[in-house]
Amino acid sequence: DQQVKQNSPSLSVQEGRISILNCDYTNSMFDYFLWYKKYPAEGPTFLISISSIKDKNEDGRFTVFLNKSAKHLSLHIVPSQPGDSAVYFCAASDTGGFKTIFGAGTRLFVKA
Amino acid sequence: DSGVTQTPKHLITATGQRVTLRCSPRSGDLSVYWYQQSLDQGLQFLIQYYNGEERAKGNILERFSAQQFPDLHSELNLSSLELGDSALYFCASSFTGQGEDEQFFGPGTRLTVL
Repeated sequence: DQQVKQNSPSLSVQEGRISILNCDYTNSMFDYFLWYKKYPAEGPTFLISISSIKDKNEDGRFTVFLNKSAKHLSLHIVPSQPGDSAVYFCAASDTGGFKTIFGAGTRLFVKA
Repeated sequence: DSGVTQTPKHLITATGQRVTLRCSPRSGDLSVYWYQQSLDQGLQFLIQYYNGEERAKGNILERFSAQQFPDLHSELNLSSLELGDSALYFCASSFTGQGEDEQFFGPGTRLTVL
């Protein structure tokens, strides 16, 4: 039972353009969402998060959008840089709960 | 460097064997999580501890067990190993262990079962 789905295994984008990574969830109890980035041979690192009381959160080149009615969130990277090439994991949890459920990840390639 | 350490980095063993993976959380963090990442799969949550007590359980097999010690380091024990247990095992830590807490991940232990 995949509660958090990232349906695109990979995405290729030209340097300087926008990268949009998508994530869908099924559990309406989730009210906190996080994105992690993972480089090869390293553990994931936290990138950005959003609470369900907001629909947008921005941190530099990274913006996360949340559409609660559609149970969908997306991560926008503008402008994309070659160093952004990594696997991006979407994760969801319920505040006060303890489990964090991760998606399968999307591998982003940013071409110079 | 996340501050989370995992040992060993690589482990190669045979089917039927038992191994122990070790994790030291970031200084000050009270909660430890274990995840399994098989080839091209996402991070499967296994189990979480907070200050020595089990707090949440995910898709952890009965052949697997874990504990968190008084000094807050944690061990994941995998027994009666099967080929399908070959994976990357990540440990993560956070301060409160709540769902909105950022988790800090270690570099992982790559387990190969032959």
